[in-house]
Amino acid sequence: LAKTTQPISMDSYEGQEVNITCSHNNIATNDYITWYQQFPSQGPRFIIQGYKTKVTNEVASLFIPADRKSSTLSLPRVSLSDTAVYYCLVGAEKSSGDKLTFGTGTRLAVRP
Amino acid sequence: SQTIHQWPATLVQPVGSPLSLECTVEGTSNPNLYWYRQAAGRGLQLLFYSVGIGQISSEVPQNLSASRPQDRQFILSSKKLLLSDSGFYLCAWGSVVGTNEKLFFGSGTQLSVL
Repeated sequence: LAKTTQPISMDSYEGQEVNITCSHNNIATNDYITWYQQFPSQGPRFIIQGYKTKVTNEVASLFIPADRKSSTLSLPRVSLSDTAVYYCLVGAEKSSGDKLTFGTGTRLAVRP
Repeated sequence: SQTIHQWPATLVQPVGSPLSLECTVEGTSNPNLYWYRQAAGRGLQLLFYSVGIGQISSEVPQNLSASRPQDRQFILSSKKLLLSDSGFYLCAWGSVVGTNEKLFFGSGTQLSVL
Protein backbone atom coordinates (compact mmCIF):
# COMPACT_ATOMS: atom_id res chain seq x y z
CA LEU A 1 0.00 0.00 0.00
CA ALA A 2 1.46 3.31 -1.06
CA LYS A 3 2.38 5.58 1.82
CA THR A 4 1.05 9.12 1.73
CA THR A 5 2.40 12.39 3.11
CA GLN A 6 0.22 15.43 3.73
CA PRO A 7 0.68 18.71 5.59
CA ILE A 8 -0.45 18.42 9.18
CA SER A 9 -2.49 21.61 9.12
CA MET A 10 -3.57 24.50 6.93
CA ASP A 11 -5.34 27.79 7.56
CA SER A 12 -7.59 29.69 5.20
CA TYR A 13 -10.27 32.37 5.10
CA GLU A 14 -13.81 32.16 3.90
CA GLY A 15 -14.19 32.53 0.15
CA GLN A 16 -10.64 31.46 -0.66
CA GLU A 17 -9.62 28.45 -2.70
CA VAL A 18 -7.76 25.82 -0.71
CA ASN A 19 -5.37 23.31 -2.24
CA ILE A 20 -4.15 20.36 -0.18
CA THR A 21 -1.38 18.30 -1.69
CA CYS A 22 -0.66 14.67 -0.95
CA SER A 23 2.59 12.92 -1.88
CA HIS A 24 2.51 9.23 -2.78
CA ASN A 25 5.81 8.39 -4.44
CA ASN A 26 5.27 4.63 -4.37
CA ILE A 27 1.84 4.59 -5.98
CA ALA A 28 1.17 1.38 -7.88
CA THR A 29 -0.19 1.11 -11.39
CA ASN A 30 -3.67 0.05 -10.28
CA ASP A 31 -3.96 2.41 -7.32
CA TYR A 32 -6.69 5.00 -7.16
CA ILE A 33 -6.40 8.18 -5.09
CA THR A 34 -9.25 8.92 -2.70
CA TRP A 35 -9.93 11.86 -0.41
CA TYR A 36 -12.12 11.85 2.68
CA GLN A 37 -13.37 14.62 4.97
CA GLN A 38 -13.91 14.15 8.69
CA PHE A 39 -15.70 16.42 11.14
CA PRO A 40 -15.22 16.00 14.90
CA SER A 41 -17.04 13.00 16.37
CA GLN A 42 -18.14 11.79 12.95
CA GLY A 43 -16.91 9.15 10.54
CA PRO A 44 -14.95 10.23 7.46
CA ARG A 45 -17.00 11.08 4.40
CA PHE A 46 -15.96 10.30 0.85
CA ILE A 47 -15.19 13.46 -1.14
CA ILE A 48 -13.61 12.53 -4.43
CA GLN A 49 -11.64 9.80 -6.15
CA GLY A 50 -9.46 9.74 -9.24
CA TYR A 51 -6.86 7.83 -11.18
CA LYS A 52 -5.21 10.45 -13.41
CA THR A 53 -5.53 14.00 -14.77
CA LYS A 54 -8.47 15.89 -13.28
CA VAL A 55 -11.70 14.90 -11.61
CA THR A 56 -14.37 17.36 -10.55
CA ASN A 57 -17.60 16.97 -8.66
CA GLU A 58 -19.99 19.28 -6.86
CA VAL A 59 -17.73 19.47 -3.82
CA ALA A 60 -14.13 19.53 -5.02
CA SER A 61 -11.60 18.96 -7.76
CA LEU A 62 -8.76 16.49 -7.76
CA PHE A 63 -5.65 17.16 -9.82
CA ILE A 64 -3.27 14.29 -10.55
CA PRO A 65 -0.08 14.90 -12.58
CA ALA A 66 1.10 12.49 -15.22
CA ASP A 67 3.58 10.71 -12.94
CA ARG A 68 0.82 10.24 -10.29
CA LYS A 69 3.33 10.67 -7.46
CA SER A 70 1.22 13.38 -5.91
CA SER A 71 -2.30 14.71 -6.00
CA THR A 72 -3.99 17.96 -5.03
CA LEU A 73 -7.43 18.33 -3.55
CA SER A 74 -8.90 21.71 -4.45
CA LEU A 75 -11.78 23.19 -2.47
CA PRO A 76 -13.25 26.25 -4.20
CA ARG A 77 -14.43 29.17 -2.10
CA VAL A 78 -14.28 27.50 1.31
CA SER A 79 -16.71 28.34 4.06
CA LEU A 80 -16.51 27.89 7.82
CA SER A 81 -18.26 24.53 7.44
CA ASP A 82 -15.28 23.20 5.48
CA THR A 83 -13.21 23.22 8.67
CA ALA A 84 -12.35 19.54 9.03
CA VAL A 85 -9.61 16.96 8.67
CA TYR A 86 -8.89 15.80 5.13
CA TYR A 87 -7.36 12.41 4.43
CA CYS A 88 -5.65 11.21 1.28
CA LEU A 89 -5.66 7.46 0.63
CA VAL A 90 -3.92 5.57 -2.10
CA GLY A 91 -4.45 2.00 -3.10
CA ALA A 92 -7.07 -0.65 -2.57
CA GLU A 93 -5.60 -3.82 -4.02
CA LYS A 94 -7.85 -6.39 -2.43
CA SER A 95 -6.23 -9.25 -4.26
CA SER A 96 -2.86 -8.57 -2.68
CA GLY A 97 -4.36 -8.22 0.75
CA ASP A 98 -3.62 -4.53 1.09
CA LYS A 99 -6.04 -2.66 3.23
CA LEU A 100 -7.18 0.92 3.45
CA THR A 101 -5.15 2.72 6.09
CA PHE A 102 -5.63 6.37 7.00
CA GLY A 103 -2.75 8.64 7.96
CA THR A 104 -3.09 11.62 10.27
CA GLY A 105 -4.62 13.80 7.56
CA THR A 106 -4.56 17.57 7.08
CA ARG A 107 -6.43 19.70 9.59
CA LEU A 108 -7.98 22.62 7.71
CA ALA A 109 -9.12 25.64 9.69
CA VAL A 110 -11.28 28.19 7.86
CA ARG A 111 -11.55 31.58 9.50
CA PRO A 112 -14.14 34.31 8.92
CA SER B 1 -29.62 3.15 -1.20
CA GLN B 2 -27.04 1.76 1.16
CA THR B 3 -26.96 2.67 4.82
CA ILE B 4 -24.74 1.69 7.70
CA HIS B 5 -25.87 1.58 11.31
CA GLN B 6 -23.55 1.56 14.28
CA TRP B 7 -24.45 1.55 17.95
CA PRO B 8 -24.27 2.67 20.65
CA ALA B 9 -23.17 6.23 20.01
CA THR B 10 -21.44 6.56 23.36
CA LEU B 11 -20.37 4.01 25.93
CA VAL B 12 -18.69 4.22 29.30
CA GLN B 13 -17.30 0.97 30.61
CA PRO B 14 -15.15 0.02 33.60
CA VAL B 15 -11.76 -1.59 33.11
CA GLY B 16 -12.06 -5.35 32.85
CA SER B 17 -15.63 -5.34 31.59
CA PRO B 18 -16.67 -6.93 28.28
CA LEU B 19 -17.46 -5.03 25.11
CA SER B 20 -19.74 -5.60 22.17
CA LEU B 21 -20.20 -3.06 19.40
CA GLU B 22 -22.45 -3.88 16.50
CA CYS B 23 -22.53 -2.63 12.95
CA THR B 24 -25.04 -3.49 10.24
CA VAL B 25 -25.24 -2.52 6.60
CA GLU B 26 -28.38 -2.31 4.48
CA GLY B 27 -28.89 -2.10 0.77
CA THR B 28 -25.89 -4.09 -0.41
CA SER B 29 -24.70 -7.67 -0.35
CA ASN B 30 -21.32 -9.17 0.50
CA PRO B 31 -19.71 -5.85 1.41
CA ASN B 32 -16.17 -5.51 2.69
CA LEU B 33 -16.48 -4.49 6.33
CA TYR B 34 -14.00 -2.63 8.49
CA TRP B 35 -13.47 -1.64 12.12
CA TYR B 36 -11.29 1.40 12.78
CA ARG B 37 -10.26 3.10 16.00
CA GLN B 38 -9.34 6.75 16.38
CA ALA B 39 -7.63 8.16 19.44
CA ALA B 40 -8.30 11.81 20.25
CA GLY B 41 -6.65 14.07 17.67
CA ARG B 42 -5.13 11.17 15.79
CA GLY B 43 -5.67 9.36 12.51
CA LEU B 44 -7.69 6.20 11.96
CA GLN B 45 -6.14 2.89 12.91
CA LEU B 46 -7.45 -0.14 11.04
CA LEU B 47 -8.34 -2.91 13.51
CA PHE B 48 -10.14 -5.59 11.52
CA TYR B 49 -11.51 -6.15 8.08
CA SER B 50 -13.72 -8.82 6.56
CA VAL B 51 -14.38 -9.81 2.98
CA GLY B 52 -17.11 -12.34 3.82
CA ILE B 53 -19.00 -14.24 6.49
CA GLY B 54 -16.63 -15.75 9.02
CA GLN B 55 -13.59 -14.20 7.30
CA ILE B 56 -11.79 -11.82 9.64
CA SER B 57 -8.34 -10.31 9.26
CA SER B 58 -6.68 -8.57 12.17
CA GLU B 59 -4.35 -5.66 11.67
CA VAL B 60 -3.27 -4.97 15.22
CA PRO B 61 -2.69 -7.62 17.92
CA GLN B 62 -4.70 -6.64 20.98
CA ASN B 63 -7.42 -7.77 23.32
CA LEU B 64 -10.13 -7.01 20.77
CA SER B 65 -11.76 -9.45 18.41
CA ALA B 66 -14.23 -9.22 15.56
CA SER B 67 -16.84 -11.51 14.13
CA ARG B 68 -19.08 -11.53 11.09
CA PRO B 69 -21.97 -13.88 11.82
CA GLN B 70 -24.07 -12.62 8.92
CA ASP B 71 -23.30 -11.07 5.57
CA ARG B 72 -24.09 -7.52 6.65
CA GLN B 73 -23.29 -7.68 10.36
CA PHE B 74 -19.92 -6.94 11.90
CA ILE B 75 -19.28 -7.13 15.64
CA LEU B 76 -16.34 -5.83 17.66
CA SER B 77 -15.80 -7.50 21.02
CA SER B 78 -13.55 -7.68 24.01
CA LYS B 79 -13.62 -9.98 27.01
CA LYS B 80 -11.81 -7.51 29.27
CA LEU B 81 -11.40 -3.86 28.41
CA LEU B 82 -8.21 -1.95 29.09
CA LEU B 83 -7.82 1.78 29.66
CA SER B 84 -5.99 1.94 26.34
CA ASP B 85 -9.09 0.70 24.55
CA SER B 86 -10.71 4.11 24.95
CA GLY B 87 -11.32 5.86 21.65
CA PHE B 88 -13.68 6.52 18.80
CA TYR B 89 -14.65 3.31 17.03
CA LEU B 90 -15.84 3.43 13.47
CA CYS B 91 -17.38 0.77 11.30
CA ALA B 92 -17.22 1.09 7.53
CA TRP B 93 -18.26 -0.82 4.46
CA GLY B 94 -16.42 -0.78 1.18
CA SER B 95 -17.93 -0.40 -2.25
CA VAL B 96 -15.60 -2.17 -4.65
CA VAL B 97 -15.45 -1.84 -8.41
CA GLY B 98 -12.47 -3.74 -9.75
CA THR B 99 -9.50 -2.62 -7.69
CA ASN B 100 -11.19 0.64 -6.77
CA GLU B 101 -12.77 0.86 -3.32
CA LYS B 102 -14.69 3.62 -1.57
CA LEU B 103 -15.40 3.47 2.14
CA PHE B 104 -18.64 4.56 3.79
CA PHE B 105 -18.53 5.05 7.53
CA GLY B 106 -21.01 4.72 10.33
CA SER B 107 -21.55 7.46 12.89
CA GLY B 108 -19.11 5.94 15.36
CA THR B 109 -19.05 4.89 19.00
CA GLN B 110 -17.18 6.98 21.55
CA LEU B 111 -15.87 4.49 24.11
CA SER B 112 -14.51 5.63 27.44
CA VAL B 113 -12.91 2.99 29.63
CA LEU B 114 -12.59 4.14 33.24
